[in-house]
Amino acid sequence: SYELTQPPSVSVSPGQTARITCSGDALPKQYAYWYQQKPGQAPVLVIYKDSERPSGIPERFSGSSSGTTVTLTISGVQAEDEADYYCQSADSSGTVFGGGTKLTVL
Amino acid sequence: QLQLQESGPGLVKPSETLSLTCTVSGGSISSSSYYWGWIRQPPGKGLEWIGSIYYSGSTYYNPSLKSRVTISVDTSKNQFSLKLSSVTAADTAVYYCARQGIIAARPEFFDYWGQGTLVTVSS
Repeated sequence: SYELTQPPSVSVSPGQTARITCSGDALPKQYAYWYQQKPGQAPVLVIYKDSERPSGIPERFSGSSSGTTVTLTISGVQAEDEADYYCQSADSSGTVFGGGTKLTVL
Repeated sequence: QLQLQESGPGLVKPSETLSLTCTVSGGSISSSSYYWGWIRQPPGKGLEWIGSIYYSGSTYYNPSLKSRVTISVDTSKNQFSLKLSSVTAADTAVYYCARQGIIAARPEFFDYWGQGTLVTVSS
């Protein structure tokens, strides 16, 4: 099994751009997914297949991939975007989540 | 609208077996496009994948939990279940069930989640 590494926390002011990274040796060969989790709620898928956005997810959420790192970008951050964000990937042996990043909107 | 609902005891004694069931409504668990998975989250900590099952019974398990985990499916009831044996306080967590989309014949992303259920391991 492999690991996905995320920074524990990211802070931004409203209206700025937040970037949350996720690193893993297998990411060049596998898709990455991103979930948003607010306190007391189940996670919500916000990005799939590295950069695709599910229906209903605001356009300010985007994803990108470069080598062993994938990035979730939130443009024009709003107070409601304050949450924990998790990356996730999968290979032939199963599914792995990153440790999570707490996004604080100052 | 697809809905998933976890059910089972909220308190389990150490060394006993944790048993949870996820009931799927608004869609068929026998769809060829999805696996069905269990994920847990200890209080204040991150997400941990436990395992996933296809309607045919094919399973993937987290290697770190594999020796204690059994996931089964009952297509007639549109349910799938989790059993985790020999539990300790470290197994205290919110347990989620979720639908897992398939890409290239492999379970990949979770697009629908249950609300989660807290299971506490304590005597």
